[in-house]
Amino acid sequence: AQSVTQLDSHVSVSEGTPVLLRCNYSSSYSPSLFWYVQHPNKGLQLLLKYTSAATLVKGINGFEAEFKKSETSFHLTKPSAHMSDAAEYFCVVSAETGGYNKLIFGAGTRLAVHP
Amino acid sequence: EAQVTQNPRYLITVTGKKLTVTCSQNMNHEYMSWYRQDPGLGLRQIYYSMNVEVTDKGDVPEGYKVSRKEKRNFPLILESPSPNQTSLYFCASSLRAGVRNEQFFGPGTRLTVL
Repeated sequence: AQSVTQLDSHVSVSEGTPVLLRCNYSSSYSPSLFWYVQHPNKGLQLLLKYTSAATLVKGINGFEAEFKKSETSFHLTKPSAHMSDAAEYFCVVSAETGGYNKLIFGAGTRLAVHP
Repeated sequence: EAQVTQNPRYLITVTGKKLTVTCSQNMNHEYMSWYRQDPGLGLRQIYYSMNVEVTDKGDVPEGYKVSRKEKRNFPLILESPSPNQTSLYFCASSLRAGVRNEQFFGPGTRLTVL
């Protein structure tokens, strides 16, 4: 069975400092992993995805994530936070079970960015 | 513009009054899905559809129905809504059902059942 755990429900950083949002996953198969962002009162937008190619994945708005199979982790990072990064972030796992695109969402991490 | 649209965006209703939330995509996607989002639980899948006329239950299907008569539309039906169905609902679609396909999400429908 697949599952995903986001280790922090809330993260608070100052503008200009690094961002780290932690995600661990469990999957019986070779997983695809995604990070989605949800700004207040908006839908979900894909930040980046890992699908068995390069383990360091670059996404939009300066975010990147590294797939570490040995640690079953897929942490999201950004070198310098911007006020517009304040949002909720979801780590998502999808795996080859039944051949259809079922996404398993983490509970979410709310990122606050302070001036 | 390629997008997934949902209507209505906000709905307040009463227990037992049947309602339908529409979902439409203009990207010729095969796969469509419905999720509900509740605080601290992330998104959970309600139903999905691999293609026209093929639907199946997700993780939380109780109290919901769906239909897929046309490729572009995937309405969510609550025959007799109850307060525990108060939630934020998202429709999503992807080109194929394969796990590497990115899902595109609609803007969400906030439903309150009194």
